[in-house]
Amino acid sequence: AQSVTQLDSHVSVSEGTPVLLRCNYSSSYSPSLFWYVQHPNKGLQLLLKYTSAATLVKGINGFEAEFKKSETSFHLTKPSAHMSDAAEYFCVVSEGTDSWGKFQFGAGTQVVVTP
Amino acid sequence: EAQVTQNPRYLITVTGKKLTVTCSQNMNHEYMSWYRQDPGLGLRQIYYSMNVEVTDKGDVPEGYKVSRKEKRNFPLILESPSPNQTSLYFCASKGLAGGGETQYFGPGTRLLVL
Repeated sequence: AQSVTQLDSHVSVSEGTPVLLRCNYSSSYSPSLFWYVQHPNKGLQLLLKYTSAATLVKGINGFEAEFKKSETSFHLTKPSAHMSDAAEYFCVVSEGTDSWGKFQFGAGTQVVVTP
Repeated sequence: EAQVTQNPRYLITVTGKKLTVTCSQNMNHEYMSWYRQDPGLGLRQIYYSMNVEVTDKGDVPEGYKVSRKEKRNFPLILESPSPNQTSLYFCASKGLAGGGETQYFGPGTRLLVL
């Protein structure tokens, strides 16, 4: 069975400071992991994905995430927050290869960016 | 343009009145899925389909039906809607070939059941 926990429901950062969104997962098999972003009243956009290649994954808009198997974590970071980063972020886990169908979403982290 | 479309985008209905939310993709993807999004719960998977005539339950299938008669369409059916099915619904699709893990999401359907 798979599950995902986003450790912070809300994160507030100042513009220009680093962003850290924490995600822990559990999986019986080698997982695929994803981060999605949802801006207010918008659909979901993929930021980045890990699928058993490099453990440090770079995504769009300056985001990156590191897969740490020993810590069962997949934290999302960005060195310098921008006002446009204000949104809700979801960590997602899927077990096994991409032929498996089940995806588990975290509860989401709401990011607020202050000037 | 590659996209997933859903209709309707907004729907208000009454308890017990059957409804269907359509989902269509133009990317020739094998996999399609339905999710519901509720505050504080993230997205929860309702049903998914690995290909035509192949469907499986997700985490919250109760009260929903799906069918996959054609590759491009994956309608979500609520035979007898109840107020606890008031939610924001997303359809998604992805390919199954190598590197096809990325799901593409539709714009969402906001449903209110009175």
